[in-house]
Amino acid sequence: SYELTQPLSVSVALGQTASLTCGGDLIENKNVHWYQQKPGQAPVLVISRDRNRPSGIPERFSGSNSGNTATLTIFRAQAGDEADYFCQVWDSGTGVFGGGTKLTVL
Amino acid sequence: ELQLVESGGGLIQPGGSLRLSCKVSGFPLSGYWMHWVRRAPGKGLMWVARVNGDASSTNYVDSVKGRFTISRDNAKNTLYLQMNSLRVEDTAVYYCARGYEPLEYWGQGTLVTVSS
Repeated sequence: SYELTQPLSVSVALGQTASLTCGGDLIENKNVHWYQQKPGQAPVLVISRDRNRPSGIPERFSGSNSGNTATLTIFRAQAGDEADYFCQVWDSGTGVFGGGTKLTVL
Repeated sequence: ELQLVESGGGLIQPGGSLRLSCKVSGFPLSGYWMHWVRRAPGKGLMWVARVNGDASSTNYVDSVKGRFTISRDNAKNTLYLQMNSLRVEDTAVYYCARGYEPLEYWGQGTLVTVSS
């Protein structure tokens, strides 16, 4: 079965840039979606199909996908960006999530 | 306003059954693929199952195949998850979500606790 690998945690200074990675075998051949989840809240889609921002998501959120790694980049990180972030793909008709990265804004 | 509201969670003993519901409003359920996703305490998100608009196609994660059944009643704008032979490891918050590829909209979740 297909596996996605995310670092457990990433820290970023307030106002700086955070890069969250999602590794998978030839992930560039898949559409990668990213979700943000804050404690006690439902997940929110922040990037769809590698690089598309849904309505209402700030331009500070950006996505890319190449080779074996997809990346969610958060520019000018804010305190409100602290959350768990999950990448997700579809493989043979089933959904696969990465283990998630906890983003801490210092 | 688009809304997805889950219900039906609770405390259940191992081996028991539970049916979750997801009542939607603000859009016609029939036009969309729908999913169940769960998050166990201290763990990440896990996709559980999906069903297409007319319920002619369903998919499940291996760990729930044969135990869980996803279904829908488009006339009632309600999605269901029938969970049988529940295990302690099925303890989680269960979310319903709308979408084909990305899961665009999510409910707030309902907690299922499997414990003796």
